[in-house]
Amino acid sequence: SQQGEEDPQALSIQEGENATMNCSYKTSINNLQWYRQNSGRGLVHLILIRSNEREKHSGRLRVTLDTSKKSSSLLITASRAADTASYFCAPMDSNYQLIWGAGTKLIIKP
Amino acid sequence: SQTIHQWPATLVQPVGSPLSLECTVEGTSNPNLYWYRQAAGRGLQLLFYSVGIGQISSEVPQNLSASRPQDRQFILSSKKLLLSDSGFYLCAWSDPARGREKLFFGSGTQLSVL
Repeated sequence: SQQGEEDPQALSIQEGENATMNCSYKTSINNLQWYRQNSGRGLVHLILIRSNEREKHSGRLRVTLDTSKKSSSLLITASRAADTASYFCAPMDSNYQLIWGAGTKLIIKP
Repeated sequence: SQTIHQWPATLVQPVGSPLSLECTVEGTSNPNLYWYRQAAGRGLQLLFYSVGIGQISSEVPQNLSASRPQDRQFILSSKKLLLSDSGFYLCAWSDPARGREKLFFGSGTQLSVL
């Protein structure tokens, strides 16, 4: 399967803690994107990291990419209740197709 | 600013009935348009995409069809719904200059076929 896979499937942490989610894929990629989905809603683009980049930051988000291991991680620092959502990685393969995983469900406990 | 509208939010339809979901984009011209389906607890499956009026590419053979009668309007249809058509349907658009590097999604339609 060329599907991207997020790990863990679910993550529950206390507000203020950091949350780390991982993504693995099986094919060569042009870039890798992370999206957030609140329950029953559409997805929101968070960040894109290109295949020649190793790390990228956006506010409280930090994304790393290791193309040799075909993996990426999303770190959310100082989590807030509003960060409760499902997070999806979407690697873009060499045919410019997005490969979607099943997501990580993140719950931030107050 | 650009906005995307998708409706209805929820739909319950009997097996064998027709379907029409509509999506419109405002604030941009000639967008790339997409229809995705998301099964419960799963990732997204690309159903159709369009790069222009009347230009539809199908990714997965199925009971559904798509049309783009106007530049910023994308419609998902079925003549006869199956139980397996149930799911969460998402419309999205992207800037053609960026391809699929950033998708903007609508709020989705939860379709239940009974």
